[in-house]
Amino acid sequence: AQTVTQSQPEMSVQEAETVTLSCTYDTSESDYYLFWYKQPPSRQMILVIRQEAYKQQNATENRFSVNFQKAAKSFSLKISDSQLGDAAMYFCASEGDSNYQLIWGAGTKLIIKP
Amino acid sequence: DSGVTQTPKHLITATGQRVTLRCSPRSGDLSVYWYQQSLDQGLQFLIQYYNGEERAKGNILERFSAQQFPDLHSELNLSSLELGDSALYFCASSPRGRLGNEQFFGPGTRLTVL
Repeated sequence: AQTVTQSQPEMSVQEAETVTLSCTYDTSESDYYLFWYKQPPSRQMILVIRQEAYKQQNATENRFSVNFQKAAKSFSLKISDSQLGDAAMYFCASEGDSNYQLIWGAGTKLIIKP
Repeated sequence: DSGVTQTPKHLITATGQRVTLRCSPRSGDLSVYWYQQSLDQGLQFLIQYYNGEERAKGNILERFSAQQFPDLHSELNLSSLELGDSALYFCASSPRGRLGNEQFFGPGTRLTVL
């Protein structure tokens, strides 16, 4: 079965510092999408960033960027200038081989220290 | 606000009972996904519908069923409820069945089985 692995159950970072959350996945597809979603204490799921595997360039959204290593099947999320509002669970997700569903990681809890 | 609505927000019921959760996708979205999130866990994909037809099935119990109606709203029916069914149930929608589209999540229905 396909899996997405987030090896860090919890991470903490000082406000204004940079933190990187790791994610590895497996797939037999050559073109697919990868996602990072954020779930703050409100429990609402919010898309943070999306990467198409076909594109070499790493996706960037303001303070959020990814380090996508296709050969290594690695998709890490870098948060720069961390803010208190970034405190949340972060989930990595990969398209399933059927392309009809997302395969989700177990999540990383990010704590921001003031 | 994602544009996806779910009702009810909270549901408390007893073991053995049956409940129905309702989801209205974003205007124009044809695909609906259902997820279960138990306490401090990741997301478990249950089922996906596209334009009224079942498209993909995940870890959905036989006691659970779903359907998508002609107006594209969807219902998730949970029967013979057990204590372990207590969870947050999310609905998400996307424009098409093919992923690469962002999934827009509703606020969730919190089910408590006593």
